Amino acid sequence: GENVEQHPSTLSVQEGDSAVIKCTYSDSASNYFPWYKQELGKRPQLIIDIRSNVGEKKDQRIAVTLNKTAKHFSLHITETQPEDSAVYFCAASPSGNEKLTFGTGTRLTIIP
Amino acid sequence: DAGITQSPRHKVTETGTPVTLRCHQTENHRYMYWYRQDPGHGLRLIHYSYGVKDTDKGEVSDGYSVSRSKTEDFLLTLESATSSQTSVYFCAISGGGPGTGELFFGEGSRLTVL
Repeated sequence: GENVEQHPSTLSVQEGDSAVIKCTYSDSASNYFPWYKQELGKRPQLIIDIRSNVGEKKDQRIAVTLNKTAKHFSLHITETQPEDSAVYFCAASPSGNEKLTFGTGTRLTIIP
Repeated sequence: DAGITQSPRHKVTETGTPVTLRCHQTENHRYMYWYRQDPGHGLRLIHYSYGVKDTDKGEVSDGYSVSRSKTEDFLLTLESATSSQTSVYFCAISGGGPGTGELFFGEGSRLTVL
């Protein structure tokens, strides 16, 4: 089955700086890559996703890049703000949510 | 927020007792999922449903069973709880067919098995 590795497990950045979280996957058939954000004590929520026919996707301060050859994808957050502090999960699937495999999460802390 | 609620939100039980967690949705979504969340493991799929009475196993299904007798309700049962099942359980829903994207999660149910 799919195996998703996520790094780093914790990340601290100064407010205003950029943050990058990286994930690798093992199943070359995977074609859907969402990112979920989970604030402390809250439910996970989708923040951005990308499909394998696209190399990059942006939504305001958030961007995701995908390298299918190397089987890795990354989340980029620019101009970080205190509300970006949360745990971020990457995930990969070859065929929909029932086959979605999550990474182990990255705890991002924004230092004021 | 999507109309999805879980009950109970917190439960403490003893090893060997049965436990049932309930997920209720008001969105009329076809797909429903049960995940568990543990430190160092992220979110792992236990079981999912793709329609009334249609369910299938996920990555960590041993020790769990599910039932879906109505579109709006998806029940997760631990027939005989063990300490390894201490976790936070999240229900999720998604609309449409496979691969259509966003999972909407419930607020989670924290289960402690003593």
